[in-house]
Amino acid sequence: GAGVSQSPSNKVTEKGKDVELRCDPISGHTALYWYRQRLGQGLEFLIYFQGNSAPDKSGLPSDRFSAERTGESVSTLTIQRTQQEDSAVYLCASSYGQGRSSYEQYFGPGTRLTVT
Amino acid sequence: LAKTTQPISMDSYEGQEVNITCSHNNIATNDYITWYQQFPSQGPRFIIQGYKTKVTNEVASLFIPADRKSSTLSLPRVSLSDTAVYYCLVGDIVGPMTGGFKTIFGAGTRLFVKA
Repeated sequence: GAGVSQSPSNKVTEKGKDVELRCDPISGHTALYWYRQRLGQGLEFLIYFQGNSAPDKSGLPSDRFSAERTGESVSTLTIQRTQQEDSAVYLCASSYGQGRSSYEQYFGPGTRLTVT
Repeated sequence: LAKTTQPISMDSYEGQEVNITCSHNNIATNDYITWYQQFPSQGPRFIIQGYKTKVTNEVASLFIPADRKSSTLSLPRVSLSDTAVYYCLVGDIVGPMTGGFKTIFGAGTRLFVKA
């Protein structure tokens, strides 16, 4: 079946512009995660959605970052007034919502964001 | 959330068995241990998950001692294609209200397999 998809695959933007990144999770997966990965570093948790529960936004680095999810489907990560330090690969993952299978996250290919 | 500690990097040769140990001294009763593999320019891929003793699948084995304060991922007979970053994660799976779904990947262990 189809995996997690993300768009765009690459995005180059000027400092100060807003960007919108999209994630389409695997059908049936109620949990969705966004991560940021800077070059050569580990993954940094940003935000978590589970069903209709309030999202866990504890990882968002500033109020310039926000994310939304429509039901149990598409999610959008928005970065306002981008800064050069926002340059990274943004990864989306989805999983089943509860139980042991919740830790088997399926990752998309990521969006490489470059802020010039 | 239980903090994990892994070696930054490891080297190996093709055909050898590789063991990567992760320390998680403050692991909680509800916590499971999960390992992921990440190749360059790709998202991480789930390898294996366990709670205690030993778990084996077609890719790897996971050894967890009785005190669960560490775990060892064992990769049998590695090949060049096993060169990747390996992440150890610890967290509970009870439900979102416990905060158990905020997964922390850390820096991982960079494994280099040489010919």
